[in-house]
Amino acid sequence: EADIYQTPRYLVIGTGKKITLECSQTMGHDKMYWYQQDPGMELHLIHYSYGVNSTEKGDLSSESTVSRIRTEHFPLTLESARPSHTSQYLCASSERPAGVRNEQFFGPGTRLTVL
Amino acid sequence: DAKTTQPTSMDCAEGRAANLPCNHSTISGNEYVYWYRQIHSQGPQYIIHGLKNNETNEMASLIITEDRKSSTLILPHATLRDTAVYYCIVRTRGTGNQFYFGTGTSLTVIP
Repeated sequence: EADIYQTPRYLVIGTGKKITLECSQTMGHDKMYWYQQDPGMELHLIHYSYGVNSTEKGDLSSESTVSRIRTEHFPLTLESARPSHTSQYLCASSERPAGVRNEQFFGPGTRLTVL
Repeated sequence: DAKTTQPTSMDCAEGRAANLPCNHSTISGNEYVYWYRQIHSQGPQYIIHGLKNNETNEMASLIITEDRKSSTLILPHATLRDTAVYYCIVRTRGTGNQFYFGTGTSLTVIP
């Protein structure tokens, strides 16, 4: 089982609130990712990081921001939540350099609802 | 990374083999084929990957055609817990390229 954790699992919050979605992994992986997924739809990469102090934007434009101060921690922040941010947010990590399987390990996800 | 084409949905009887096809006609020589699955509301889970040869592990088998333009994921004895969306992905291993998951195949295992 992958050791990657996300909190909270579910969050319902009002418009305009600042929120931070937490993601931590205990595998020592350098690469970490955030995906956004609407129900029944594709996963879209919104942020990734190659290591400490490295952050890049993904394929899908997002109003969220990320930081990578520690290897094991990759939080995602929304400064002012809006109903359009309602979605599931999935965090993942992988080894760098690529391991034998070069796979991404996913957390359980955070389901965000903005009212 | 090459694009993939998968059927939108499939059904399979419990206990039978589930064969999930994937077309990747523009795959290049150094691109691997990966399969992941996503059970409802959970994060995707790695299943198997391969380059040219057929591969088998404790979860599934991967059959890649000789020209590498298509592949089939085989779940030998499908159970109800195998109901999930299955993603076929091709990408170059060990690069900065990310996984493109697409819409996948929604497999329903029927009792």
